[in-house]
Amino acid sequence: LAKTTQPISMDSYEGQEVNITCSHNNIATNDYITWYQQFPSQGPRFIIQGYKTKVTNEVASLFIPADRKSSTLSLPRVSLSDTAVYYCLVTAPHQTGANNLFFGTGTRLTVIP
Amino acid sequence: DTGVSQDPRHKITKRGQNVTFRCDPISEHNRLYWYRQTLGQGPEFLTYFQNEAQLEKSRLLSDRFSAERPKGSFSTLEIQRTEQGDSAMYLCASTASGRGGEQYFGPGTRLTVT
Repeated sequence: LAKTTQPISMDSYEGQEVNITCSHNNIATNDYITWYQQFPSQGPRFIIQGYKTKVTNEVASLFIPADRKSSTLSLPRVSLSDTAVYYCLVTAPHQTGANNLFFGTGTRLTVIP
Repeated sequence: DTGVSQDPRHKITKRGQNVTFRCDPISEHNRLYWYRQTLGQGPEFLTYFQNEAQLEKSRLLSDRFSAERPKGSFSTLEIQRTEQGDSAMYLCASTASGRGGEQYFGPGTRLTVT
């Protein structure tokens, strides 16, 4: 199981772009990088998933370099409502159970007015 | 589709009592997961079902915990003889086969054992 390392916390002002980097040195060939967002007293919400290069959706972009040993979640023009904990995970689509979703402690993003 | 729902949202119980939580997954998802989350930590895997079969249980799941998913639809998680250390948020998630990393979580049940 490839564990991940990400900053414990980050602060950003409203309207700025926020980049959260995650290290996953032991990622396997079949693994994907998946990010979740969690607000207080709610369950995590799937944000984005990628395998290589760049993935973009309506919420975020995910940049993955060629060696795939790290990835960066990019949130454009954050607002106060983006204050949350962001989890970076390495996941295998066809794997299940304890080895597939290891959340760690995540990055607590605080957006400042 | 209304997403994953959990009931109750909050439960306060006295030590030694039994509690049961319910999870209703997204209807077309055949995989259902239970997690436990304590303050400041990410969710920790407890157990998972594929349809009605419970295929894996974490070592975190002591003998006091039992989960069922009759008929492969909703699931229940029961904790017998609750202890103060059981106080946590219990989360349920569901997903379709082959999309293991993309799970849809319910709002959770917050358990407080006094």
